[in-house]
Amino acid sequence: QVHLVESGGGVVHPGRSLKISCVDSGSTFTSYAMHWVRQAPGKGLDWVAVISYDGFNPHYSDNVKGRFTISKDNAKHTLYLQMDSLTTEDTAVYYCARGVSGSYIDHWGQGTLVTVSS
Amino acid sequence: IQMTQSPSSLSASVGDRVSITCRATQSIRTYLNWYQQKPGKAPKLLIYAVSSLQTGVPSRFTGSGSETDFTLTISNLQPEDFATYYCQHSFTIPYSFGPGTKLEIK
Repeated sequence: QVHLVESGGGVVHPGRSLKISCVDSGSTFTSYAMHWVRQAPGKGLDWVAVISYDGFNPHYSDNVKGRFTISKDNAKHTLYLQMDSLTTEDTAVYYCARGVSGSYIDHWGQGTLVTVSS
Repeated sequence: IQMTQSPSSLSASVGDRVSITCRATQSIRTYLNWYQQKPGKAPKLLIYAVSSLQTGVPSRFTGSGSETDFTLTISNLQPEDFATYYCQHSFTIPYSFGPGTKLEIK
């Protein structure tokens, strides 16, 4: 069973940092890769990052590479996204999601809204 | 790899059959997935690996295609099918999504 719940979103000034989290209350967290996908207001889905099941291999979209850091704590069943040097372009709902076999995404959280504004 | 979808929006009636096309800028073999999203909700996986139906998804949803050209077909449209549909490739990182197709009631 998979139940993903994101938290930590809010309003942040441009140039500042924010760390969001995603807890999986199910029992399969340690066995799966995890993704972050975002959606700006009224826009489409934008893939952000993925990390391997063991938390050792992160990958990023070009838009966030060097600014965002994805991490996975299997002991706490928690996925993180550290976001630095935020810009207004990063304003979006951020979804955590479970990846299957390095391929498709089969479960999504409800999302957490990050607003970057002065 | 960039993904495009057509049409960007579509009007149809309950009971209709509709098709949405997704195209990749290079071959993605069979690493193509489809998601449905309703307003204010998280996306939902419909089809993975071009044509494999996710558990619990009705059989009126079918996927086809290969290499660069793919199609999602919905037969006998039901009221709950009116939503936005996204394709996504998972061939190489970054896993990009198409821009979406909004399916509206005529």
